[in-house]
Amino acid sequence: KQEVTQIPAALSVPEGENLVLNCSFTDSAIYNLQWFRQDPGKGLTSLLLIQSSQREQTSGRLNASLDKSSGRSTLYIAASQPGDSATYLCAVRQADYKLSFGAGTTVTVRA
Amino acid sequence: DADVTQTPRNRITKTGKRIMLECSQTKGHDRMYWYRQDPGHGLRLIHYSYGVKDTDKGEVSDGYSVSRSKTEDFLLTLESATSSQTSVYFCAIGGPLYNEQFFGPGTRLTVL
Repeated sequence: KQEVTQIPAALSVPEGENLVLNCSFTDSAIYNLQWFRQDPGKGLTSLLLIQSSQREQTSGRLNASLDKSSGRSTLYIAASQPGDSATYLCAVRQADYKLSFGAGTTVTVRA
Repeated sequence: DADVTQTPRNRITKTGKRIMLECSQTKGHDRMYWYRQDPGHGLRLIHYSYGVKDTDKGEVSDGYSVSRSKTEDFLLTLESATSSQTSVYFCAIGGPLYNEQFFGPGTRLTVL
């Protein structure tokens, strides 16, 4: 059974600092990995999807890397802003079309 | 307009009641999912569907049933609600190519 872990569970940084969020998974036979953002009381918003054949994916200030063989992905958010405060979740997809989710990292960016 | 909508957004009910949560999508995707989100457990898959009348159980399906009579709609039923089913329920759709998932806004259900 795929296990997805996100450490740390919570992170607080001053505005302007770069954010580094980690995701690890136990079974490297994945099709893709998706990063989501969740604001309090809201649904999940897809940020980036990275295919198993890709090493990284970028969108604006966001960059996600994937090392499938070691079972790790990292989400980088450059020059953090208070509006980046949210919970970030990663999820991996395997041969079926189901996702296994991590519990998330809650980020607070202090102004 | 949102791609995925959920009805109701909030519901308070009593133990033993039959409850239906609705999910509708405008994208015409075949794959749809119901999750629940609880503190300490993250998101867990309840049921999923890969097309009309094609549904299957996820990891936490006990006490829940689903139906998919149209591509647009995916209905989750709690046959006899229990307090352990107090949770936030999310519906999601999966994109046709890579199954990138897009979520609805969630339904907060409280069972007293």
